[in-house]
Amino acid sequence: DSGVTQTPKHLITATGQRVTLRCSPRSGDLSVYWYQQSLDQGLQFLIQYYNGEERAKGNILERFSAQQFPDLHSELNLSSLELGDSALYFCASSVEQGTEAFFGQGTRLTVV
Amino acid sequence: AQSVTQLGSHVSVSEGALVLLRCNYSSSVPPYLFWYVQYPNQGLQLLLKYTSAATLVKGINGFEAEFKKSETSFHLTKPSAHMSDAAEYFCAVSDPFKNQGGKLIFGQGTELSVKP
Repeated sequence: DSGVTQTPKHLITATGQRVTLRCSPRSGDLSVYWYQQSLDQGLQFLIQYYNGEERAKGNILERFSAQQFPDLHSELNLSSLELGDSALYFCASSVEQGTEAFFGQGTRLTVV
Repeated sequence: AQSVTQLGSHVSVSEGALVLLRCNYSSSVPPYLFWYVQYPNQGLQLLLKYTSAATLVKGINGFEAEFKKSETSFHLTKPSAHMSDAAEYFCAVSDPFKNQGGKLIFGQGTELSVKP
């Protein structure tokens, strides 16, 4: 158990819908990262938050957004979903930026 | 820009044989390097990391990796494979400077099969 909790574990939704994925980092970790894992793209960095502020952006679509709340949990919002958004979404956390990151079990999103 | 190349998307070894998973990186600055393992339906677990200290890094489950700057490589090895090592392995690189955030750039992964 990495100490990073992601909910839900599985999500099935229809095209055009909006979903929210939630991540609770390890206790004391200030940095949260979101990654997308798909068969064709592999593991891709989406976005990072550090102590409530956005710090880095990767290949994140405009339809996707995230935030980190004062209690340090983070949410990834995916809207206007398309079939191609089906993937495993991971959250990771670390104490400081650049230190080792611990991954949650992921949320498997299926868009039908 | 940083990148990682893992040579071989599938590697198969016999139980007890040497495991060698190859990783080459590209980076404009000496990077931090990581190996993660992913078991089916699980998240990623850190096996080991290189952060500019000793070039030979020992990790969990008997794995080790050697950072070779001249070859821009960070290959993962284990002297004797066990059935429980069957999983997907990812090499990753990150910028060592804190102001870059620490995001990981992953290779495409290598699936390791272990035959009895």
